[in-house]
Amino acid sequence: KNQVEQSPQSLIILEGKNCTLQCNYTVSPFSNLRWYKQDTGRGPVSLTIMTFSENTKSNGRYTATLDADTKQSSLHITASQLSDSASYICVVSATVYKLSFGAGTTVTVRA
Amino acid sequence: DTAVSQTPKYLVTQMGNDKSIKCEQNLGHDTMYWYKQDSKKFLKIMFSYNNKELIINETVPNRFSPKSPDKAHLNLHINSLELGDSAVYFCASSQERSDRVAYGYTFGSGTRLTVV
Repeated sequence: KNQVEQSPQSLIILEGKNCTLQCNYTVSPFSNLRWYKQDTGRGPVSLTIMTFSENTKSNGRYTATLDADTKQSSLHITASQLSDSASYICVVSATVYKLSFGAGTTVTVRA
Repeated sequence: DTAVSQTPKYLVTQMGNDKSIKCEQNLGHDTMYWYKQDSKKFLKIMFSYNNKELIINETVPNRFSPKSPDKAHLNLHINSLELGDSAVYFCASSQERSDRVAYGYTFGSGTRLTVV
């Protein structure tokens, strides 16, 4: 069983609408949690990184939250744009170098 | 300028062949990685080098051999390629800070390896 579970697996939203992606993890100990955006045929690109003491982090229209007690994180996309269509990956780190990846949520934004 | 560049972008080869994938980063990071992304899109770490020293070596067949000539380069050589090696391979780099967090984790654009 993967230590990082993401939901939903995929979702379709209309341009301009908001959406929220979920991430639950069992990785322990916990160092930090990251959200990445991966466009088709490209490498993942970092959106946010949160350490244990942080419970929210924003990057433009992307806002990530972290509840280290319940081991849950969410990524909220505000006013979606067509360019937001991508896979969003939750990544949890227990040690400095070793990251545990979720399978990702595929977001499709339609006009 | 591309921060983490890997070549080739596509690689199609026959079973049994030996091939190499090259990776270079110009970010000044001291740690580099190789990841494998399978058909289910999971990214799994294979190797990591910190200042040319191997620090992570996951359960990977010994047909895979990383080589780091300097901290800006990490190449991956694969011997006797098998059908199951078909995947997308990503190189990445990062820099550890005093709070023991690897920052600036940056991925290359991937090498799609197809073994036929």
